Amino acid sequence: QVQLVQSGAEVKEPGASVKVSCKASGYTFTTYGVTWVRQAPGQGLEWMGWISPYNGNTNYAQKFQGRVSMTTDTSTSTAYMELRSLRSDDTAIYYCARRIFFDYWGQGTLVTVAS
Amino acid sequence: EIVLTQSPGTLSLSPGERATLSCRASQSVTNSFLSWYQQKPGQAPRLLIYGAASRATGIPDRFSGSGSGTDFTLTISRLEPEDFAVYYCQQYGSSPQTFGQGTKVEIK
Repeated sequence: QVQLVQSGAEVKEPGASVKVSCKASGYTFTTYGVTWVRQAPGQGLEWMGWISPYNGNTNYAQKFQGRVSMTTDTSTSTAYMELRSLRSDDTAIYYCARRIFFDYWGQGTLVTVAS
Repeated sequence: EIVLTQSPGTLSLSPGERATLSCRASQSVTNSFLSWYQQKPGQAPRLLIYGAASRATGIPDRFSGSGSGTDFTLTISRLEPEDFAVYYCQQYGSSPQTFGQGTKVEIK
């Protein structure tokens, strides 16, 4: 069965970076893109960007350009999202999801930015 | 970017009733690339509908989607207790992909 399993919760200080992983199983990893979505506490969903594991192409939301990097490791079927220069308003649950419409989701990774 | 506006913000209904949720786009959604998600507290969202009207795998047929262009609707024909949740629409026809702000369906 398809599964996306994300890394555990993180606590970071303002200005630091965080790297969240998303390990895929149950399907051929290079067949579908991986999207990252975040959700601040009590808020709605925000699209951050997308990566193709097939060729590494990316498409980032303008809001995160220059601060985010999405990569994949096809040998381990794992996608990564790194967010730099963290601010308090980056505190959120970060989700990975499969395909351009999100038929499978990871369980989410809570990233807390606080001093 | 395409702004999606969902209405109402909150829908108060009883089990067995029909729920009609609206999602209006600020400009036409390419190829009706619009999806609907259900989210319960503490859980990741779950895909219900994609391509405006196609039910995702395992989704009960009481959930249906319709619409095109700028106006889309999610209908839950008869609410079950497990359907009380927040629902989001999302367009994936244009970049950046965008979400509506959500409609909460609560028990009356």
